[in-house]
Amino acid sequence: AQTVTQSQPEMSVQEAETVTLSCTYDTSESDYYLFWYKQPPSRQMILVIRQEAYKQQNATENRFSVNFQKAAKSFSLKISDSQLGDAAMYFCAYRSARNSGYALNFGKGTSLLVTP
Amino acid sequence: EAGVAQSPRYKIIEKRQSVAFWCNPISGHATLYWYQQILGQGPKLLIQFQNNGVVDDSQLPKDRFSAERLKGVDSTLKIQPAKLEDSAVYLCASSPGRSVRGQYFGPGTRLTVT
Repeated sequence: AQTVTQSQPEMSVQEAETVTLSCTYDTSESDYYLFWYKQPPSRQMILVIRQEAYKQQNATENRFSVNFQKAAKSFSLKISDSQLGDAAMYFCAYRSARNSGYALNFGKGTSLLVTP
Repeated sequence: EAGVAQSPRYKIIEKRQSVAFWCNPISGHATLYWYQQILGQGPKLLIQFQNNGVVDDSQLPKDRFSAERLKGVDSTLKIQPAKLEDSAVYLCASSPGRSVRGQYFGPGTRLTVT
């Protein structure tokens, strides 16, 4: 089974600064998808960014970008120009591309605090 | 486009009682998921439906949990009888079949078992 590890239980960043959240995963598959989800106190899981494993180019969505290192099985999230509204739990998730289930395997999450 | 709807938002019950949660996915989404999120952890899949058929229920504690998706639209998740360790947030998500865009989540139901 695939496992996802987020080694940073908590991170803190000042407003307007940049922060990087780490994620590593373990898989024997070559084809898969990786995601970062944001979960604010309201509990609503919101998709931040996704990466297809077959793509070498790192995904970017406005202030959010990833550093995908397939050989190292690493998938970090960089948040630039941090805003107060970025404060939330961030979950890294893995999904197989071949398994018919398509369910997400989540890490334990990183709590991001944004200070003024 | 309306999002994934769940009810109730909060539920408090005593152990050994039963409880049911309801989920209405985004219109047209064939795949529906129920996740359990224990405090301090990431969500864990309980069951996945494709239309009204079960695709994966390997992590569903079938002695006490049951789920159905009648007519391939909305779904209910039931716990009977509840245990203290069932206290968690129950998240419902949906996706349009084999979507690569990820899943769309509802607001969740926070269950407290006392």
